[in-house]
Order: sequence, then structure tokens, then C-alpha cells
Amino acid sequence: DVKVTQSSRYLVKRTGEKVFLECVQDMDHENMFWYRQDPGLGLRLIYFSYDVKMKEKGDIPEGYSVSREKKERFSLILESASTNQTSMYLCASQGGRRLAEYNEQFFGPGTRLTVL
Amino acid sequence: QKEVEQNSGPLSVPEGAIASLNCTYSDRVSQSFFWYRQYSGKSPELIMSIYSNGDKEDGRFTAQLNKASQYVSLLIRDSQPSDSATYLCAPRMDSSYKLIFGSGTRLLVRP
Repeated sequence: DVKVTQSSRYLVKRTGEKVFLECVQDMDHENMFWYRQDPGLGLRLIYFSYDVKMKEKGDIPEGYSVSREKKERFSLILESASTNQTSMYLCASQGGRRLAEYNEQFFGPGTRLTVL
Repeated sequence: QKEVEQNSGPLSVPEGAIASLNCTYSDRVSQSFFWYRQYSGKSPELIMSIYSNGDKEDGRFTAQLNKASQYVSLLIRDSQPSDSATYLCAPRMDSSYKLIFGSGTRLLVRP
């Protein structure tokens, strides 16, 4: 089974702090994603990565950056946290070896971030 | 028109009934479709994938894809209270790795 882990389940930070959210997958998947989920707005893609050191902006990249130095790890960085970044952050991994499974995305447990 | 549309619900069904969840999509999506279940406060969990026209069954779940009408549905037979959750439809965007998530349908199964 695919396992995707995230560094924290709950996080409380102050406005202006730099925040790191980490995600690790154990299935050698090529593609990794960061989403945020807010009531009424659904899942929105922030960034994704299709290879080590490769990244592409999603629908709402403003205020965020990412890092992928190793294949199994994908980090989301909030350069200067703001209250409107309070949200549930979800990491996903994709790229099963069998062709039929390649497009399946598997999610980590999520990090609920509160910015005060 | 949104790329993926789902009725937000809630869809309320009695225990033991068949729950039918529907999703329509635009031309910008590919022919790979995924259904996720999300319990309140938890992350989405993949429950079904379907790639070709017709039905795909897995236990109590059946996914149906109708390309001509551009809709995909999920049937849950013998619904249980533990099936109460939000169900997200997610087709893959054409020529991309990305999935496009619908806003989800909330299902309530009454005991």
C-alpha cells in the first residue's frame, strides 16, 4: 500500500512566520502535489512536482513556494504566513508502476494550519 | 461551465438502499476518472477508478462511465451509516498529470 505521511497534523503559527510543511511518500512515485482545502471552495492545487527539482505552479501559488530535493520528499513553504492561509493542507503522491495505476493520487492525512 | 460538476447534496438515503452519486464533466478532461471518499476532518481516500465506457464493480461500489453524455456516476449498494461522507469526483485533466476535483456530494445514510 502507498503511504504518504505529513510532518504535522495540527500546526499553529503567527502572522509573518516562515512555515515548512513536509510530505514523504514511500512508493517511489514521480509526481507529488500540494493542495489546500477550504469549506465551500473545495480542493485547490497550489503546486506540483513531476520530478526531483522540477515544479509547476497550480491554481493558487501566490504566497507559497516548494522544494523537492529528493524523490520521496516534497515540502511546501509559506514564506510569510498570513491569516488567509489558515487551511487544511493536503499532500498527494501519484505514479504507480502499473499503467492502470499511474494516474491514481494518494493523499496524506493532512495538516490543519492555523495562522494567528 | 465548470469542468466538473457535482450536486452538493446532502443526499439522504435509508440504510440498505442504493445511493447514486453523479458527476458531469467538460471536454477538457481526459478519460480517466476517480472517485474519492472523504470523512469529515479526514483526507480523501481513493475508492474507485474507471477508464472505459460502461460499468466497473468493486464490492458494494459500482462506477459507471458514459462518455457520450459526459457523466460518471458512483452507485453504493446496501448503503451503511459508515458510508456517510463526502464523495469527490476527479477526472484527470487532458494532457496533464493533474486531477480536477469536483466540489463533492455529501451523502447521509440514515439508520
